[in-house]
Amino acid sequence: ETGVTQSPTHLIKTRGQQVTLRCSSQSGHNTVSWYQQALGQGPQFIFQYYREEENGRGNFPPRFSGLQFPNYSSELNVNALELDDSALYLCASSFRTGSGTGELFFGEGSRLTVL
Amino acid sequence: QQPVQSPQAVILREGEDAVINCSSSKALYSVHWYRQKHGEAPVFLMILLKGGEQKGHEKISASFNEKKQQSSLYLTASQLSYSGTYFCGTDRGAQKLVFGQGTRLTINP
Repeated sequence: ETGVTQSPTHLIKTRGQQVTLRCSSQSGHNTVSWYQQALGQGPQFIFQYYREEENGRGNFPPRFSGLQFPNYSSELNVNALELDDSALYLCASSFRTGSGTGELFFGEGSRLTVL
Repeated sequence: QQPVQSPQAVILREGEDAVINCSSSKALYSVHWYRQKHGEAPVFLMILLKGGEQKGHEKISASFNEKKQQSSLYLTASQLSYSGTYFCGTDRGAQKLVFGQGTRLTINP
């Protein structure tokens, strides 16, 4: 186990709804990254939070937003859900020391199905 | 820009060796390798940094050619537990790890 926990593990939504996914980072980590993984694909980088600020974003529209809290836990919010948003959402925590990305510790993921 | 992995899939018998390659068209700060088993989260294997530093599990071997922006993961004397999908992730120093499409490794007894 990595010490990174995500909730919920599974959820079903309908098009147009909004969803919030939560992540509790591993103790001592100050950075959290969110990834979207479609079936059979590699994880796609959504964004990263460091010290409660967004610090790097992938090619995802603004309806994907996030928060990082003082205890380094994090939320991923997706508004106006589309069918293509159906995927496994992975949270990864790490400890940032220099300019590069450190070892990522992934949670088990939240599987979102949009109908 | 997403790194390119090859091959897309490999089938081995237990005890055989395999090499998985990862290439990028951009200058890299580091390359990461992760393994994901079906229904599980990706697990860290190794980081290879520009300049030659490596961090990872002792039983995993990999290389990073900085001039060509290519990395290779070497799996020797494969065991059944090595099965899974291997992802390389490339870091250009922008706090953004971009993963390849993955290489599915199947080990048969």
